[in-house]
Amino acid sequence: QLRLQESGPGLVKPSETLSLTCTVSGRSISSSSNYWAWIRQPPGKGLDWIGSVSFSGSTYYNKSLQSRVTISMDTSKDQFSLKLSSVTAADTAVYYCARYLCTDGVCYPLDYWGQGTLVSVSS
Amino acid sequence: DIQMTQSPSTLSASVGDRVTITCRASQSISSWLAWYQQKPGKAPKLLIYKASRLESGVPSRFSGSGSGTEFTLTISSLQPDDFATYHCQQYNSYSWTFGQGTKVDIK
Repeated sequence: QLRLQESGPGLVKPSETLSLTCTVSGRSISSSSNYWAWIRQPPGKGLDWIGSVSFSGSTYYNKSLQSRVTISMDTSKDQFSLKLSSVTAADTAVYYCARYLCTDGVCYPLDYWGQGTLVSVSS
Repeated sequence: DIQMTQSPSTLSASVGDRVTITCRASQSISSWLAWYQQKPGKAPKLLIYKASRLESGVPSRFSGSGSGTEFTLTISSLQPDDFATYHCQQYNSYSWTFGQGTKVDIK
């Protein structure tokens, strides 16, 4: 059974860098066709796509966040990570990691999710 | 980016009601549309993909339809477990976007 678990600080100061890690169990993150994503949800609001990294290390980012986001993977630990720089209060949200599949040029939506972790930006 | 607009934002209904939620895309996304259910404090759960295909294990009272820019999620007979927030999502491009969500609450 595939499981994902987010970890990282729950409080980040304005202008600093938010760093989160997602640990995957039940599947190697380098397994073909697997893509690993970050999504966030500000309190009381809808879901925002942040970006993703493929099994081979290719990255895809939300254009509105692209200048501040880095997603990377550590295949030795079956983990992938999110770094979001220069945070403000607007970055306060529950951050989720999730998995989707792409095969033969066709992608499928997010079928496995972590439980989410709340990150607050405050001094 | 493709914008997704759901309506209504909130829907009040009773057990047994037929419920329909609409999602509109700012440009054609073919059938690359998913629906998720989210309960308070929980991660979203995939219900429907490719506009009308039911994810494994999802009750058959859920159905999806549409293509291009207009899509609907229908719950044929609302059950107590269905009171939740529903999100649509387009996955037509590499930059995916979600609707703002529709909360289904008890009338």
